[in-house]
Amino acid sequence: TQLLEQSPQFLSIQEGENLTVYCNSSSVFSSLQWYRQEPGEGPVLLVTVVTGGEVKKLKRLTFQFGDARKDSSLHITAAQPGDTGLYLCAGWRGGKLIFGQGTELSVKP
Amino acid sequence: NAGVTQTPKFQVLKTGQSMTLQCAQDMNHEYMSWYRQDPGMGLRLIHYSVGAGITDQGEVPNGYNVSRSTTEDFPLRLLSAAPSQTSVYFCASRNAVTSTGELFFGEGSRLTVL
Repeated sequence: TQLLEQSPQFLSIQEGENLTVYCNSSSVFSSLQWYRQEPGEGPVLLVTVVTGGEVKKLKRLTFQFGDARKDSSLHITAAQPGDTGLYLCAGWRGGKLIFGQGTELSVKP
Repeated sequence: NAGVTQTPKFQVLKTGQSMTLQCAQDMNHEYMSWYRQDPGMGLRLIHYSVGAGITDQGEVPNGYNVSRSTTEDFPLRLLSAAPSQTSVYFCASRNAVTSTGELFFGEGSRLTVL
């Protein structure tokens, strides 16, 4: 079983639609991170959320950390083809960065 | 801006062969790590190091060896490759003192074991 469970694993939507990706755990994390990975490249950090209930915005992307610090969500408004990629949540646990399974997003024009 | 450099980018091996995946970083990061990425499983940690001379196991260490003789380099060795080790491998590093805990990744090495 994964320490961090992401859903959905696959998402295919039309340009302009909104979407939300979830990252859930039964364990408390001091912070959670979201990375984005494009084909043939390594993941790149988008954001780190640290405080329970925290909301961070990055242009059309909104990240939220759950009040109990066990979950996080990524909401994309008016998705664009350039948002296509693999989105990964991650959290540090005992000196190791643990990743969820990832959500593969495809945004069609 | 080199960052984290992995070589080779692609490699095909036969079962039982050995090889080393190279990883070098020029950011003076203390922490370095190796992950493998398989479809539907995200990134799984193989081994990591918090500084020269110090290594530890991650989630899936079996079949892999590492060493850390310098701050810059963190090679991953497969002593006897198996088809189950077919995967994309990523090396990553971070500055141990930064509060964000951001990992910087290389571009990956795609390994196929026949």
